[in-house]
Parts: sequence; C-alpha cells; structure tokens
Amino acid sequence: EVQLEESGGGLVQPGGSLRLSCAVSGFIFSSYSMNWVRQAPGKGLEWVSYISGSSSTIYYADSVKGRFTISRDNAKNSLYLQMNSLRAEDTAVYYCARGFGSWASDIWGQGTVVTVSS
Amino acid sequence: QSALTQPASVSGSPGQSITISCTGTSSDVGRYNLVSWYQQYPGKAPKLMIYEGTKWPSGVSNRFSGSKSGNTASLTISGLQPEDEADYYCCSYAGSSTLVFGGGTKLTVL
Repeated sequence: EVQLEESGGGLVQPGGSLRLSCAVSGFIFSSYSMNWVRQAPGKGLEWVSYISGSSSTIYYADSVKGRFTISRDNAKNSLYLQMNSLRAEDTAVYYCARGFGSWASDIWGQGTVVTVSS
Repeated sequence: QSALTQPASVSGSPGQSITISCTGTSSDVGRYNLVSWYQQYPGKAPKLMIYEGTKWPSGVSNRFSGSKSGNTASLTISGLQPEDEADYYCCSYAGSSTLVFGGGTKLTVL
C-alpha cells in the first residue's frame, strides 16, 4: 500500500526552526518527484516546494524562498523540509504529496501541524 | 502569484449536475493545460480528481470532468451524490516553476 507519513510538526516561536519529515512506503521513492503543500487554519491550499526524484531540480514558492529548504534521502525513502526564520503566517498543516503527471499530486500524507507563536 | 478565483460555495440536489469555476489569467490557466482539481473532506488530506485539465487518475469516477475556456477552468460533477459534499480546489501551473491554488469551493448536496 502506498503511504506517506509526515512528522516533525509542533509549536515554535517566531524566528525559530523546525524540520519536517515525510516517510514513504509502497512505491519506488526515487522514481517520483515530491511536493510540500500547506494549509493555514480555515484557509485554502498553498504549494510550498517541489523536488525531483534525483534532487537535481528544486523549486520554492516566493513566500518561503530563502527560508525553507527541501531535500530527500532516497536510500531512507524520506522527504524533508527544513524551515528557518519561521513567521506566524507559516502556521499551517503541512502535507507531503507525490508528484503525478505534470504538476499534480496523486498521493498525500495526512499532514503535520506547525504552529508559530510566542 | 495571485490565487485562482473560485466561488466560495455551490450547491445542488442529488442527481443534478454542478459546475465549479476556476478563473486565472493568461499567465496560468489560460497559458497551460495543467489544471488539477482536488477534493477535500474536513480534517482530511486532499484527493486528486482531475489532472492536466481533463484526465482522470485511476479510481476516480467519470462523473467528475474537467474543461477549460480561456482563462477559466471548470470542474463538472454529474449525477451528484451525497458523498460528493466536500471542498474542491483547483490548481494550475503558473510558469516560472510555480503552482497556484484556488481559494476553494464548498459543495453542499441539498
């Protein structure tokens, strides 16, 4: 069964850092691009970042560029999101999602909650 | 990039058809056939319903269909069923290796 499971969320103060992880199983991880997408409380979805299967191509939304870093370890079947200089507006549920077709995501994790507050 | 524009809510009765619009610009929806649609139940992860404008992922009912005219993409749900009641989000490639989502539409099945 294809599964994605996020972890690493929590409460952090403004300016702090957090590292999210996404453990995958049930498919050949290295063959797929991956995305991080977030959803602020009561709000819509927002794309955060993309990484290709080989990590050779990486993209970020303007809202996180320079503060967040996406990475992956294909040997460990894991995706990561290092989040630095966190702001209150980064508060959201963060989903990892498997890339599908051109710029879609077909499999999503259940999300991990990040709260940035003092 | 600005979010794509969706109606906040739509409603329909069981068996009817409804359409959810998703309006962008000539830089995103209008330029690329790369609109996807997601269904999301409260507290749950999104589910891909349509990708690349008109294609169905495996396992998705063909009661869901996608289309586009100019800068507006649409999701049509035919033969509305109670379990279709959910939030729906459109998403488009916006150039410069970025994605933009719509604000979401709450579908109510009366």
